Amino acid sequence: QKEVEQNSGPLSVPEGAIASLNCTYSDRGSQSFFWYRQYSGKSPELIMFIYSNGDKEDGRFTAQLNKASQYVSLLIRDSQPSDSATYLCAVRGSSNTGKLIFGQGTTLQVKP
Amino acid sequence: EPEVTQTPSHQVTQMGQEVILRCVPISNHLYFYWYRQILGQKVEFLVSFYNNEISEKSEIFDDQFSVERPDGSNFTLKIRSTKLEDSAMYFCASSLAGPNTGELFFGEGSRLTVL
Repeated sequence: QKEVEQNSGPLSVPEGAIASLNCTYSDRGSQSFFWYRQYSGKSPELIMFIYSNGDKEDGRFTAQLNKASQYVSLLIRDSQPSDSATYLCAVRGSSNTGKLIFGQGTTLQVKP
Repeated sequence: EPEVTQTPSHQVTQMGQEVILRCVPISNHLYFYWYRQILGQKVEFLVSFYNNEISEKSEIFDDQFSVERPDGSNFTLKIRSTKLEDSAMYFCASSLAGPNTGELFFGEGSRLTVL
């Protein structure tokens, strides 16, 4: 069974701090990796994607990928209360249909 | 900005009834998906659809489920005889690029409540 694992949290950080969210996956053939943000009762909203080992930065967000360790992370710098949400890690595995496998999500709380 | 639209936003139905959930993917996208999320649980893959046929389906997607793209713009999910455990948020998603690249964009979801 192909799995994506995340710590469900909640992860609580003060406003302005760096939030670090982690994800591991079991399928070594996985090709691409996505972070979605989901507010309560809403749909997943794409934040970032990463395909290659290393870091990818977009504004306050940095995604990190280590395929050897099967590990993906998302760093949020200068966290704001509006960043409070559940962050979903999603992995596109080795099947050739484009489907994503989602983790349980990590709830982030940014306290003013 | 183009978006995936879904209707209805909320549907309440009696157990055993048929339900059709509708989606209009982003217009130039080629790959279409249905996912569901039971309250408090993870987002689960149901089915992927490309070139007018199912490319992959999960164990959840049994004979009670079907998908269709009847007119080149709508993408529908039908549940033939709903069960209590079908109560969930159903998300449609679409992607422009091929199966190994390309981001999935999700609609706002259709909440299905089966009584």
